Amino acid sequence: DAGITQSPRHKVTETGTPVTLRCHQTENHRYMYWYRQDPGHGLRLIHYSYGVKDTDKGEVSDGYSVSRSKTEDFLLTLESATSSQTSVYFCAISDLRRQPQHFGDGTRLSIL
Amino acid sequence: AQTVTQSQPEMSVQEAETVTLSCTYDTSESDYYLFWYKQPPSRQMILVIRQEAYKQQNATENRFSVNFQKAAKSFSLKISDSQLGDAAMYFCAYRSAVSGSQGNLIFGKGTKLSVKP
Repeated sequence: DAGITQSPRHKVTETGTPVTLRCHQTENHRYMYWYRQDPGHGLRLIHYSYGVKDTDKGEVSDGYSVSRSKTEDFLLTLESATSSQTSVYFCAISDLRRQPQHFGDGTRLSIL
Repeated sequence: AQTVTQSQPEMSVQEAETVTLSCTYDTSESDYYLFWYKQPPSRQMILVIRQEAYKQQNATENRFSVNFQKAAKSFSLKISDSQLGDAAMYFCAYRSAVSGSQGNLIFGKGTKLSVKP
């Protein structure tokens, strides 16, 4: 299995608080992605990275920011969490765009 | 923009029988990849099978095979000899292979497969 670790695995927090989710990989892959999974929507891309300090927006990026200061870490930040951001968040990695993406185990985030 | 449609929210199959999950997609691109991912209750996203658009031969992985119809933009998954462990949510996904694309996956909404003993 690809070495991808997401932390935390579960988090409950309150509206208006900042939240940071971490994705750590040991595969030295260039591409990293953050998706959110909601019932009835499948998985949707939030942000992605194509290298250190190189990031770009996805389909549902409003309210989220990301950072990648090292190859192995990709952080997703909710500056001021809202209830609409309650979801399961997945990180994925790949070494080349043509290669399949491998996923972390997901983070379940609940915002009350 | 590309879209992926899975028209069957839920499916059921008897153990040891065969089941086919449907997926259609819309794109104007000629170079792309298609995937089926399995998500069991553990929440993991597991790659089941992949198909490269330029290959006419349908991909096969053990009991899993696809029927790829490029002109019809159809990509169905056939599971043979269904097992209890096949029960899961199945997602069809599209990925552009065009130079300069984001490389992200575009997912359908999923099909929940139940396997009856």
